[in-house]
Amino acid sequence: GDSVTQMEGPVTLSEEAFLTINCTYTATGYPSLFWYVQYPGEGLQLLLKATKADDKGSNKGFEATYRKETTSFHLEKGSVQVSDSAVYFCALLMDSNYQLIWGAGTKLIIKP
Amino acid sequence: NAGVTQTPKFRILKIGQSMTLQCTQDMNHNYMYWYRQDPGMGLKLIYYSVGAGITDKGEVPNGYNVSRSTTEDFPLRLELAAPSQTSVYFCASSPPTELYGYTFGSGTRLTVV
Repeated sequence: GDSVTQMEGPVTLSEEAFLTINCTYTATGYPSLFWYVQYPGEGLQLLLKATKADDKGSNKGFEATYRKETTSFHLEKGSVQVSDSAVYFCALLMDSNYQLIWGAGTKLIIKP
Repeated sequence: NAGVTQTPKFRILKIGQSMTLQCTQDMNHNYMYWYRQDPGMGLKLIYYSVGAGITDKGEVPNGYNVSRSTTEDFPLRLELAAPSQTSVYFCASSPPTELYGYTFGSGTRLTVV
């Protein structure tokens, strides 16, 4: 079945470091791909999305490119801040049932 | 534009008590979902609904019930609370398209003692 695999956390970085959180997927069709962020004590917020191959989603300095050839949607940011500390979830959505398939989440810790 | 509203935000229940977690959305979304998130874990789907009058089980439905009498409301009922139901509960909604993802409520933190 369809699935999403994220790199395990926690990922600990210093402020201004470069961030990559890996996400790969398995899907029988052509899903839309999403990154959600959950700040401590809060609900999930949509961070960015891409709905077709080669699309790049971006928001708040984060970027992710929908790579069909490698079935990946890695999250990147050039210079992280302490305020980026959160849990990041990768997810895919098929048009067959509109149910998000979730990765396990990756906790990001940014140290000043 | 309120989005998805969940009440209450916090609740402590005794074992065997019952309660209803409320969820309302004002975006006219067809699809609504209930998830639970245990500490340090990801999301598990409890129930979902594709429209008024239609509900279906997710991954972890045992101990819960839902109803969907209107497009806006999707309450989650716990009949006999157990310590294993201590969790944070999130409601979400989406339109019937793969293009937009879900909108989440802010969650209900439930403790069963």
